[in-house]
Amino acid sequence: QVQLVQSGAEVRKPGASVKVSCKASGYSFTNHYMHWVRQAPGQGLEWMGIINPSGGSTSYAQKFQGRVTMTRDTSTSTVYMELSSLRSEDTAVYYCARDRSGWTGFFDYWGQGALVTVSS
Amino acid sequence: DIVMTQSPDSLAVSLGERATINCKSSQSVLYSSNNKNYLAWYQQKPGQPPKLLIYWASTRESGVPDRFSGSGSGTDFTLTISSLQSEDVAVYYCQQYYNTPYTFGQGTKLEIK
Repeated sequence: QVQLVQSGAEVRKPGASVKVSCKASGYSFTNHYMHWVRQAPGQGLEWMGIINPSGGSTSYAQKFQGRVTMTRDTSTSTVYMELSSLRSEDTAVYYCARDRSGWTGFFDYWGQGALVTVSS
Repeated sequence: DIVMTQSPDSLAVSLGERATINCKSSQSVLYSSNNKNYLAWYQQKPGQPPKLLIYWASTRESGVPDRFSGSGSGTDFTLTISSLQSEDVAVYYCQQYYNTPYTFGQGTKLEIK
């Protein structure tokens, strides 16, 4: 069965960086693009960007351009999301979410989420 | 960016009754070349990630009970739960995937009356 297992909770100081991982299993890793979506405490959902696990190409929301980097490791079927220059407003649960088919834009499987807390 | 606006923000419905959630996009999400609406609905329960319910505005995801249905086209969409069950208590989000950045509605909290 399809599973997306994310790394654990992280605490960072303002200005630092964080890297969250998402290990996929149960399907062909390179056949489905992967998205990252975040959710601040008690708030709604915000799309951050997408990575093609096959070639590694990426597309980021303009809001995060210059601060976010998405990468992948095909040998371990893992995608990564690194966010730099963290500020308190980046405190959120970060989800990886599999695209339904190639790149369609909606998400059929989600990771369990990784809470990132930014606090001095 | 396309702005997605849901109504109401919260809703209380009796068990067995119909629940209706609306979603309006700031521009059409109907792609004329394939006549598809690029609109999805998700359900999120506390402490869980969202779950896909509906895509292409009206196609139910496999395994989703048939009491959930989606309708609408262009800029106005509706998620309907025909007979509310206790396990349907959750927050519901619409999402447009017509273009990036993909955007979500603010969410509608559904409770039992």
